Amino acid sequence: DAGVIQSPRHEVTEMGQEVTLRCKPISGHDYLFWYRQTMMRGLELLIYFNNNVPIDDSGMPEDRFSAKMPNASFSTLKIQPSEPRDSAVYFCASSLSTGVRAPLHFGNGTRLTVT
Amino acid sequence: AQSVTQPDIHITVSEGASLELRCNYSYGATPYLFWYVQSPGQGLQLLLRYFSGDTLVQGIKGFEAEFKRSQSSFNLRKPSVHWSDAAEYFCAVGAANFGNEKLTFGTGTRLTIIP
Repeated sequence: DAGVIQSPRHEVTEMGQEVTLRCKPISGHDYLFWYRQTMMRGLELLIYFNNNVPIDDSGMPEDRFSAKMPNASFSTLKIQPSEPRDSAVYFCASSLSTGVRAPLHFGNGTRLTVT
Repeated sequence: AQSVTQPDIHITVSEGASLELRCNYSYGATPYLFWYVQSPGQGLQLLLRYFSGDTLVQGIKGFEAEFKRSQSSFNLRKPSVHWSDAAEYFCAVGAANFGNEKLTFGTGTRLTIIP
C-alpha cells in the first residue's frame, strides 16, 4: 500500500498562472477528498467525490477552482487564474466505501505559493 | 451544521507528564468523532474514533478519548507523553447519516514537548 500520492510537493507560481495539483488515491477507496489548510482558516473541505462523481463542492471558493476525477485512480485540482490568497497546503485524502465512518488517508500535501 | 471547537491553540508539556487536549462539538444528533494527528510536513493520521457504545475509546500510540454527551466533548488524553508526540492534533466531527460523508475539523492544537 503506497498510500495517497500527491504531486508536486511544492509549487511556486506567479499570480495569474494556472496551477494543477494531482492526487492518486489508495487503490480500492471509493471516496476522495480535497482539503485546503491555512493558518487563518485551518483545514477546509473543498470538494469530495464518491465513485468518481462529485458529491459536494460547496467548499470550492470560487469559479477559479475546479476539480476532476476522470477515473478511480486519479484526481486533479486546478486553479485558474491563481492569486496570492490561494497560497496554502492542499491535501488529498481517500477512504473506503463506508463513508464517514472510514478513516481518511491523507497524502503529504502540496504546498502552493502564489507570488 | 456540525462544528468543532478546540479551545487550546498551543499546549506545552514536559516529557513523561500527562496530557489532555480539549474538543467540543456541535451537532444535532449522535455524532461520529475523530482525533487526527499531523506531524510536520505530513498529512493527517487517524488516532482514534468514536461511533457508539463504550464512551472511552482507545487509539494508537497510547492515546484515548472519552465521549461525554452532556458536555458535548471528546477530549484526548495520554497518561505519559513522549518527545515523539510533538505534533498538531485535530478533532473532527462527522454526521451519522448516509449521504453526508464529510468531516468538519477543528482548528487544531499544537503540542510541544519539553525535556
